[in-house]
Amino acid sequence: GAGVSQTPSNKVTEKGKYVELRCDPISGHTALYWYRQSLGQGPEFLIYFQGTGAADDSGLPNDRFFAVRPEGSVSTLKIQRTERGDSAVYLCASSLRLSTDTQYFGPGTRLTVL
Amino acid sequence: AQKVTQAQTEISVVEKEDVTLDCVYETRDTTYYLFWYKQPPSGELVFLIRRNSFDEQNEISGRYSWNFQKSTSSFNFTITASQVVDSAVYFCALSGGATNKLIFGTGTLLAVQP
Repeated sequence: GAGVSQTPSNKVTEKGKYVELRCDPISGHTALYWYRQSLGQGPEFLIYFQGTGAADDSGLPNDRFFAVRPEGSVSTLKIQRTERGDSAVYLCASSLRLSTDTQYFGPGTRLTVL
Repeated sequence: AQKVTQAQTEISVVEKEDVTLDCVYETRDTTYYLFWYKQPPSGELVFLIRRNSFDEQNEISGRYSWNFQKSTSSFNFTITASQVVDSAVYFCALSGGATNKLIFGTGTLLAVQP
């Protein structure tokens, strides 16, 4: 079946602009996670959704970052007033339920802030 | 706090050699999960294995094997008879707590030379 998909695959923007990154999880998966991966590092947790609600947003670096999942499926990560330090690969993962299930990752969106 | 340490930054082997990737973790949770993911040059994280904290049996899957030892907080990964297609960055990860977010190590870059 189809895996996790993310769009766009690449996004180049200018400092100060607003961007939206989209994640489409595996069909039927209720848990959705966003991670950020900087060059040479492992992914770092940003936010977790169970259904429509953000159950844990402790990884969001500041209030410029926000994510939604209005219908419990597709999620959008929104970054306001982008900074050069936001440049990274943003990864989305989904899992079937919650605590015992494996997270499957999408291909990521490479964000470059000039 | 939870932490995963992958002390080996890069490993280079010649095809058909065996190679072991080390992973040491820290957690105060009594129930937790350990994972290995592979990240080939294409960038997508590929799930390899999940282990729960109550199951210390070693596991073998083809040329891959995993050695979980709670006494030393280690979850090492061995590739037998390595192949060029095994070249990738390998991440060890830990999850636990209510939201099951993954804590990743910094990864080990494995280069298998023909």
